[in-house]
Amino acid sequence: GQQLNQSPQSMFIQEGEDVSMNCTSSSIFNTWLWYKQEPGEGPVLLIALYKAGELTSNGRLTAQFGITRKDSFLNISASIPSDVGIYFCAGQGGSNYKLTFGKGTLLTVNP
Amino acid sequence: GAVVSQHPSRVICKSGTSVKIECRSLDFQATTMFWYRQFPKQSLMLMATSNEGSKATYEQGVEKDKFLINHASLTLSTLTVTSAHPEDSSFYICSARSHSGRVAKNIQYFGAGTRLSVL
Repeated sequence: GQQLNQSPQSMFIQEGEDVSMNCTSSSIFNTWLWYKQEPGEGPVLLIALYKAGELTSNGRLTAQFGITRKDSFLNISASIPSDVGIYFCAGQGGSNYKLTFGKGTLLTVNP
Repeated sequence: GAVVSQHPSRVICKSGTSVKIECRSLDFQATTMFWYRQFPKQSLMLMATSNEGSKATYEQGVEKDKFLINHASLTLSTLTVTSAHPEDSSFYICSARSHSGRVAKNIQYFGAGTRLSVL
């Protein structure tokens, strides 16, 4: 099925560094979501964005809904070891609010 | 935060048997629940959309007689993998779209997943 273009595919960073990842789509979405998945677990919602141009923070995480409604980015500031995991972007649309997922960004944080 | 309970977390079964996986939204009502399958190092693949009180809608390529879905109430959906075979071994994850309750509406909240291993 359709997927979003999420980049980078993986990141290896040192503790304390900032991280940025983004998603682009050829389609317009009404809602952008960012989830984090740890090994053997389901995705956990980090941030939901509802309006074009919206900038929302959740602790050290900041995400923005692109003005064109076709892209979004997620920033993590001052990374810590527990930030390790796979981060997925997802665009939501349609009558059943289906999600279209990116392929994920694997984040590794070295202490 | 919103809680979606998925059970069991892990199941090992013999080829030919059927396995039922439950998905419950604990603190909100969910008109719609979704079932996903995830292969190692890949993203989530939507299998079917389940609306309370009606038949599930399956994605292309997903056998409805193989993966039976029941959504009998606003808080419970079940996925039954019938006559399981080794190729059905995978990580299955459910999600529930919030309809009412003290959570953000129309957001999918995910269960913890079920690791199915078919011998």
